[in-house]
Amino acid sequence: GDSVTQMEGPVTLSEEAFLTINCTYTATGYPSLFWYVQYPGEGLQLLLKATKADDKGSNKGFEATYRKETTSFHLEKGSVQVSDSAVYFCALLSGSARQLTFGSGTQLTVLP
Amino acid sequence: GAVVSQHPSRVICKSGTSVKIECRSLDFQATTMFWYRQFPKKSLMLMATSNEGSKATYEQGVEKDKFLINHASLTLSTLTVTSAHPEDSSFYICSPGGQAGLNTEAFFGQGTRLTVV
Repeated sequence: GDSVTQMEGPVTLSEEAFLTINCTYTATGYPSLFWYVQYPGEGLQLLLKATKADDKGSNKGFEATYRKETTSFHLEKGSVQVSDSAVYFCALLSGSARQLTFGSGTQLTVLP
Repeated sequence: GAVVSQHPSRVICKSGTSVKIECRSLDFQATTMFWYRQFPKKSLMLMATSNEGSKATYEQGVEKDKFLINHASLTLSTLTVTSAHPEDSSFYICSPGGQAGLNTEAFFGQGTRLTVV
């Protein structure tokens, strides 16, 4: 079945540091890939997505590239801010499924 | 994007009581509703899938009699936690299915933080 493996947290960085959160997946066919963010006490929000190989999703300074050859969708940001502190979830949606498969989530804390 | 309203956002109840969580799709008709549960510092786990006009489908290990799901209309699904116990304390999130363009995105309610004391 489909699965998502996400870098274990928690991750603590200083403001303006470079961020990478690794995500790899297993799926049949050609899934769509997502990063969701959950701020403290809130629900999930879509951060970015990519629907086919070599697509790059980007939003709010975050980027992730759909790499079919390595089945990866790593999240990166060049300079994190305190306001980026949240839990980040990698997820996929394969062609036959109707619900998302989530990774375990990575807690990010950015210190001033 | 789709607008999903989940209520209440937080609830504290006593052991043995029941709690109802509502999830409404405000601007489209949801034939399906996915209900997720999030344990502390864990990922979201799909609990069940409700279908308008028919019985819900529960994931393995989820008690049907404890987590009652009703999908009364194309815009409303409810999850009732019956005879709640402290171990039911968790974050519950709904996500409508049957949306046009679901292959490119999914939308979620704001979530409900349930604390059973």
